[in-house]
Amino acid sequence: AQSVTQLDSHVSVSEGTPVLLRCNYSSSYSPSLFWYVQHPNKGLQLLLKYTSAATLVKGINGFEAEFKKSETSFHLTKPSAHMSDAAEYFCHMGMRFGAGTRLTVKP
Amino acid sequence: DGGITQSPKYLFRKEGQNVTLSCEQNLNHDAMYWYRQDPGQGLRLIYYSQIVNDFQKGDIAEGYSVSREKKESFPLTVTSAQKNPTAFYLCASTRDSPGQPQHFGDGTRLSIL
Repeated sequence: AQSVTQLDSHVSVSEGTPVLLRCNYSSSYSPSLFWYVQHPNKGLQLLLKYTSAATLVKGINGFEAEFKKSETSFHLTKPSAHMSDAAEYFCHMGMRFGAGTRLTVKP
Repeated sequence: DGGITQSPKYLFRKEGQNVTLSCEQNLNHDAMYWYRQDPGQGLRLIYYSQIVNDFQKGDIAEGYSVSREKKESFPLTVTSAQKNPTAFYLCASTRDSPGQPQHFGDGTRLSIL
């Protein structure tokens, strides 16, 4: 069975420092993986997608993610956090979503 | 611009009442999905439909019903059998299969009166 696990329910960083949001997956075949961002009372917006091309994927707003098959991971990173990055982030595979990671950015 | 429209944005349900949440898309997508979002639980799949006049139960279908009479529309009814309906409901679509990025509406927040 497919599953997606986000390892942190809440991550807090200072503005200008790196962001790391962790996602592990379980799948019997090579999956397509996605990261989304959700602002309060809004739907999810696609940040980036991995579909078996390059393992390092660049997305919008300076985010990127690396697909590591050996570690079954697809962690989301950003070199420098901005206040506007504060939101909830979801990792997604098929019809499975992770439980979400709430990112707080401190001034 | 193409997108998904969910209405209403806020909805209140009385005891014993069925309520219907609307989801319309103009993306010409074949597949549509309904998710329920509760704090700390991510998105849980209620129903999905990959083609008109066909739909399948997701993980938490009990107390919910759907129809797919038109490609553009996938309404969700929350029946009185759903004893804990308070949640944020999200509708999504993909071009065809679930292994594609999903496009989301802005959700409907359902509360009990």
